[in-house]
Amino acid sequence: KAGVTQTPRYLIKTRGQQVTLSCSPISGHRSVSWYQQTPGQGLQFLFEYFSETQRNKGNFPGRFSGRQFSNSRSEMNVSTLELGDSALYLCASSGARPGRNTEAFFGQGTRLTVV
Amino acid sequence: DAKTTQPPSMDCAEGRAANLPCNHSTISGNEYVYWYRQIHSQGPQYIIHGLKNNETNEMASLIITEDRKSSTLILPHATLRDTAVYYCIVRPPTGNQFYFGTGTSLTVIP
Repeated sequence: KAGVTQTPRYLIKTRGQQVTLSCSPISGHRSVSWYQQTPGQGLQFLFEYFSETQRNKGNFPGRFSGRQFSNSRSEMNVSTLELGDSALYLCASSGARPGRNTEAFFGQGTRLTVV
Repeated sequence: DAKTTQPPSMDCAEGRAANLPCNHSTISGNEYVYWYRQIHSQGPQYIIHGLKNNETNEMASLIITEDRKSSTLILPHATLRDTAVYYCIVRPPTGNQFYFGTGTSLTVIP
């Protein structure tokens, strides 16, 4: 079956703009989580959505937000972009129900460059 | 926040077993140990996970010490394609969030 799909793969934005990234999880998966990867900070957890509800949130400013739709597709939005937001943004989907542990599958990421 | 400690880098000869250690001394009784790897800024790839028993799959084996304070990922016959950054992660029992540490950069040498 198809894997996790993230669009777009590459994006260039200007400081102060906003950006929306999209993630389509594996069919049947209801949990989607988002991560930011930078050379300085490594891979950092942003937030997780399950059944359209934000279930967990990492330590990021309010400029970073997300949502999940009824078909489990998720979007994340970054407003008022800063140069430091340049990063690889990854999403992961999981079929785990609350209280169960199973693997998460990552997409190939969206490379965002802020100039 | 990451609760694991891994050596920053390791080398392994092609065809030999690669043993990657991980310390997780503050792990709770219901937290799982997961291993992922990332090849050159691609999305991380799931390898294996376990709670307290040793686990094996087609990619690797996971050995967890009896006190669960450390574990070792074993790639039985390393190939050049196993060159990657390997992350050991302690995952809470609920939720789909992973707190990545700095990982181990494994280089498989011909």
